[in-house]
Amino acid sequence: AQKVTQAQTEISVVEKEDVTLDCVYETRDTTYYLFWYKQPPSGELVFLIRRNSFDEQNEISGRYSWNFQKSTSSFNFTITASQVVDSAVYFCALSTGANSKLTFGKGITLSVRP
Amino acid sequence: DAGVIQSPRHEVTEMGQEVTLRCKPISGHDYLFWYRQTMMRGLELLIYFNNNVPIDDSGMPEDRFSAKMPNASFSTLKIQPSEPRDSAVYFCASSLTGGGNEQFFGPGTRLTVL
Repeated sequence: AQKVTQAQTEISVVEKEDVTLDCVYETRDTTYYLFWYKQPPSGELVFLIRRNSFDEQNEISGRYSWNFQKSTSSFNFTITASQVVDSAVYFCALSTGANSKLTFGKGITLSVRP
Repeated sequence: DAGVIQSPRHEVTEMGQEVTLRCKPISGHDYLFWYRQTMMRGLELLIYFNNNVPIDDSGMPEDRFSAKMPNASFSTLKIQPSEPRDSAVYFCASSLTGGGNEQFFGPGTRLTVL
């Protein structure tokens, strides 16, 4: 069985602060894929990043960065110099092998105050 | 290219009525997914199709729910009869291929059953 745990439920920061959103996953498969999605107040789900289990290289995209560590089964997401527009619910998700099913975590509500 | 299109965006109905939700996936995508989002259960996969064929419907809550994909550009999710506990946001998503490819979500249909 596969599982995604986002232990943080709500985070509140002041604009320009850095913030890290944690994600821990469980799977027995050696081939798997990890994702982050953003759900802003408008409600749509926006794809942010996909990582496969064979690529532990960290990734940076503008103010966003992702740290994948297989040793701790974690795929954490950092927003540098947060902005009010970053306020949203962020979901971490997992799929395994050839299976197309996405298992989502419960989500983290991030509030960025001006 | 247009994203995933869902209709209606909002639906309010009375208990016992039939509800039909519609989805048009991104052109060329072979996989289509139906998800439900509630506060209690989060995001959960109901069913997914590959090349119009249902592959996994283990997430469909009960016989009142049914989904069809008559062609590559259209899918429906039907609830008959509807119940108040079906109130949720229903998302449709599509992906180019399976096996870990990123899924792109539609804007969702907010269903309220009175």
